[in-house]
Amino acid sequence: ELKVEQNPLFLSMQEGKNYTIYCNYSTTSDRLYWYRQDPGKSLESLFVLLSNGAVKQEGRLMASLDTKARLSTLHITAAVHDLSATYFCAVGNTGNQFYFGTGTSLTVIP
Amino acid sequence: DAGVIQSPRHEVTEMGQEVTLRCKPISGHNSLFWYRQTMMRGLELLIYFNNNVPIDDSGMPEDRFSAKMPNASFSTLKIQPSEPRDSAVYFCASRRPGHFYGYTFGSGTRLTVV
Repeated sequence: ELKVEQNPLFLSMQEGKNYTIYCNYSTTSDRLYWYRQDPGKSLESLFVLLSNGAVKQEGRLMASLDTKARLSTLHITAAVHDLSATYFCAVGNTGNQFYFGTGTSLTVIP
Repeated sequence: DAGVIQSPRHEVTEMGQEVTLRCKPISGHNSLFWYRQTMMRGLELLIYFNNNVPIDDSGMPEDRFSAKMPNASFSTLKIQPSEPRDSAVYFCASRRPGHFYGYTFGSGTRLTVV
């Protein structure tokens, strides 16, 4: 079974600072997804990464994928309070099923 | 596009009662997934369907749980009898055909069994 590990599990950071969330997975995959979940809400799609070296950016968030290292990163630049949420990575196998990481709970402190 | 529609949004029931959760996937999506989310266990895949056929139900906790997808626009997850440890948020997600598409999640059903 494909294993997906995220770290850190919890992240408290000050506004204006930069940080990176890491997503490691155990077997080869050609697709990786990032989702955001606000407290009490559903999961919302952020990024779809489909090839080695893929980089996607949306505002203060940038995601990248290294399929050889089986690693994806979600980089936060100059954090603001609105980014406080839980972030999940998910990796697809050869079928329809995705394997989700444990999530990273991000709190941005003023 | 109304998105993935789940009902009810909240359900409070007594232990031993039957609970039915409902999901309407996005039109044209041919895969449907039921997930359960708790603080302790995170996101757990319970079962998924492809073209209305159950493909993998290995995540269904026990015989008290059952799921059906009688047609492409409707699925149910039933718990009978319910127990307090079933309290969680249950998400339905759907996915369109194609290797690279992601999931679209519904808003979830928060189930509390007392």
